[in-house]
Amino acid sequence: AQSVTQPDIHITVSEGASLELRCNYSYGATPYLFWYVQSPGQGLQLLLKYFSGDTLVQGIKGFEAEFKRSQSSFNLRKPSVHWSDAAEYFCAVGYSGGGADGLTFGKGTHLIIQP
Amino acid sequence: DVKVTQSSRYLVKRTGEKVFLECVQDMDHENMFWYRQDPGLGLRLIYFSYDVKMKEKGDIPEGYSVSREKKERFSLILESASTNQTSMYLCASSLLGTGDGYTFGSGTRLTVV
Repeated sequence: AQSVTQPDIHITVSEGASLELRCNYSYGATPYLFWYVQSPGQGLQLLLKYFSGDTLVQGIKGFEAEFKRSQSSFNLRKPSVHWSDAAEYFCAVGYSGGGADGLTFGKGTHLIIQP
Repeated sequence: DVKVTQSSRYLVKRTGEKVFLECVQDMDHENMFWYRQDPGLGLRLIYFSYDVKMKEKGDIPEGYSVSREKKERFSLILESASTNQTSMYLCASSLLGTGDGYTFGSGTRLTVV
């Protein structure tokens, strides 16, 4: 079965500093990979996704992620964070089968921005 | 833009009440999902549906049921609400076979007192 691990429950970054959020997955085939962001009290918004092709994927709000098959990782990065980036971030791996598509989510990383 | 609309943002119900959470999507998606989200536990799948009148149990279906009479609407039912069902409930939809990811609603914060 597929699984997703986000090793960091909380991360604190200073405003203007760079950010990397880690995500490792376990999946038997080529995965579909996603990053979502959740602002307080809101639903989840898709930041970016990887299906195939270029392993460096650009998303919204200045985020990017790199797929590394050898490391089973899909880490999210941003060169310079803004206070508005404070949120919960979820990595997910997609699968297909059994009559329905589905996503398996990591438990999330809570990003705190220091002024 | 695809929209997934959850009928209530905040809901307070009493223990033992029957509770209905409604979710409507407007992009003809086959798949619809109900999750609950709790601190430290992430998102846990309650039920999903890939077609009208079809439903599948997720990881934590106990105490819940669902209804999908129309393609655009997926309802979550708490047959007899309990305090341990106090949570954030998230509905999502997706297009079958595209691997395109989910579109989420804004969530319903349910408090059972």
